[in-house]
Amino acid sequence: GNSVTQMEGPVTLSEEAFLTINCTYTATGYPSLFWYVQYPGEGLQLLLKATKADDKGSNKGFEATYRKETTSFHLEKGSVQVSDSAVYFCALSDRHTGNQFYFGTGTSLTVIP
Amino acid sequence: DTEVTQTPKHLVMGMTNKKSLKCEQHMGHRAMYWYKQKAKKPPELMFVYSYEKLSINESVPSRFSPECPNSSLLNLHLHALQPEDSALYLCASSSRLAGITDTQYFGPGTRLTVL
Repeated sequence: GNSVTQMEGPVTLSEEAFLTINCTYTATGYPSLFWYVQYPGEGLQLLLKATKADDKGSNKGFEATYRKETTSFHLEKGSVQVSDSAVYFCALSDRHTGNQFYFGTGTSLTVIP
Repeated sequence: DTEVTQTPKHLVMGMTNKKSLKCEQHMGHRAMYWYKQKAKKPPELMFVYSYEKLSINESVPSRFSPECPNSSLLNLHLHALQPEDSALYLCASSSRLAGITDTQYFGPGTRLTVL
């Protein structure tokens, strides 16, 4: 079946530090992969996505590369800011299994000045 | 524009009340979703409407009743809820076009408290 395993949090970093949040997946077909961000008291916002192997999604300084060989989609940012403090969810969707979304457990990030 | 709107933002209701949550999108999307999210957890899928027909009901109790009056609107009718139903209720939509990655776009949510 389909599932997403995400790095446990919480993660606390100093401003300008390098961020990596690990995400691995299992899928029966050829999924699309997503990172969503949820700021306190808000809904989920699409951060970036990749639809096939070796695609790189990027947005607002965040990047993630779809690695089929390692079934991974790790989120990275070179220099985090206080405003990046939020919960990050990795997710997959597979057209061949009804487009249902499978979410990881979420990783809480706190960036301190 | 990738905006999904939800009203109300906050709702407090007693266990005997009837209330409704509303969701609207004007992106021409043909699939709409209701999720329930508890604190520090990922969203849990409740219902999916595809082309205005209910396609998925994830064994949700009958005290939650979805309705899709047209392709832009989605309602969730609430009746006789329990305190454990207190959560953030999220609406999402996606295009459901063949051959296109089906990205879901979420609204800001309704924070529901059941007393």
